[in-house]
Amino acid sequence: EIVLTQSPGTLSLSPGERATLSCRASQSVSSSYLAWYQQKPGQAPRLLIYGTSSRATGIPDKFSGSGSGTDFTLTISRLEPEDFAVYYCQQYGSSPYTFGQGTKLEIK
Amino acid sequence: EVQLVQSGAEVKKPGESLKISCKGSGYSFTSNWIGWVRQMPGKGLEWMGIIYPGDSDTRYSPSFQGQVTISADKSISTAYLQWSSLKASDTAMFYCARQHDSGIMDVWGQGTTVTVSS
Repeated sequence: EIVLTQSPGTLSLSPGERATLSCRASQSVSSSYLAWYQQKPGQAPRLLIYGTSSRATGIPDKFSGSGSGTDFTLTISRLEPEDFAVYYCQQYGSSPYTFGQGTKLEIK
Repeated sequence: EVQLVQSGAEVKKPGESLKISCKGSGYSFTSNWIGWVRQMPGKGLEWMGIIYPGDSDTRYSPSFQGQVTISADKSISTAYLQWSSLKASDTAMFYCARQHDSGIMDVWGQGTTVTVSS
């Protein structure tokens, strides 16, 4: 089973700043099958990024993903109040399709 | 509109059985996997398993194998997650999601809260 470790656990930033979230895998993620989800309190997760860097339908270009192998990054430029949430990475290259433990992005 | 609608919140006692549902609409239910994800209170997401409603092919995470049963009734575009004997540790929010062959989970249900308490 591939274990995903996200860092930091909590990220405190101000609106307008840039956020960089990290996801590290215990072994290489095949074919860059790495996704990012956003979850707000009381809501279901929402797909942001798939295939490491492809934005899901309706996701603004301020969200971008990068990486390969075992190291992946989600970058959110120009933070807005609605971006403060918990973000999860998920690998779907090898079953079971595991999630990271999440990074909470909070307003500073 | 593509959507998954889950059954309502449940409150059960330890040892009871339970079956929650997830109804798909707006797309070909039999041509996409349905996955189940657990979220315990204040915790992260855990991938439990998937089912392909077209032929009921089912895969489980080792962590959930033998603990739950995933099934589907393609005639009514509904997938299920069931327990034969609930434990307090089954208390959680459970989400279903459409999972593509690639593994991407792009459409999610609203979640079903299960509370198990004596």
